[in-house]
Amino acid sequence: DQQVKQNSPSLSVQEGRISILNCDYTNSMFDYFLWYKKYPAEGPTFLISISSIKDKNEDGRFTVFLNKSAKHLSLHIVPSQPGDSAVYFCAAMDTGRRALTFGSGTRLQVQP
Amino acid sequence: EPEVTQTPSHQVTQMGQEVILRCVPISNHLYFYWYRQILGQKVEFLVSFYNNEISEKSEIFDDQFSVERPDGSNFTLKIRSTKLEDSAMYFCASSAPYASTDTQYFGPGTRLTVL
Repeated sequence: DQQVKQNSPSLSVQEGRISILNCDYTNSMFDYFLWYKKYPAEGPTFLISISSIKDKNEDGRFTVFLNKSAKHLSLHIVPSQPGDSAVYFCAAMDTGRRALTFGSGTRLQVQP
Repeated sequence: EPEVTQTPSHQVTQMGQEVILRCVPISNHLYFYWYRQILGQKVEFLVSFYNNEISEKSEIFDDQFSVERPDGSNFTLKIRSTKLEDSAMYFCASSAPYASTDTQYFGPGTRLTVL
């Protein structure tokens, strides 16, 4: 089941620079998208979400962009901090069903 | 800040035994969920629960699994006869669909090891 794909298993950036994490989806019924951050041995922590009626949502250093025609979303973190180092999961939902479909995750490492 | 809690953090059991994983969702939330993550794999949806009944379940959630809200605060996942392949992290989540967001908030997980 590859309905949500994160094609980059890892990403390394320098502190202060921008981190861009990408996610693609195939199911056109998905209308709500979320990004979660996860540390080892912990549960996913909600970061930011976006509804399909928007193309951008911003919360502090985190911005999510949604391109519905390309079925693509991205998470921008500016500026990146060492504490941002974690695994980031993209998740998608058909709000008529509520089950989240997760991507495989991207491990972000922010170098001091 | 309210959070989802789960107990135990780690459960070790013998194959064929029953296990019950416990969760306390965020108090004013109405939807409850279980997900699991087998080591090295994606987080997978198991079941959602609303108004004291299952609202949706995945193919993984077969007759060996059941969920219950035994009181006003706890939400449990029972596996009747555990198999080796049930070894995974199990995450509980809850959400408040009355808001404009359907964000699901996750607990820290229970690591289930089946020997």
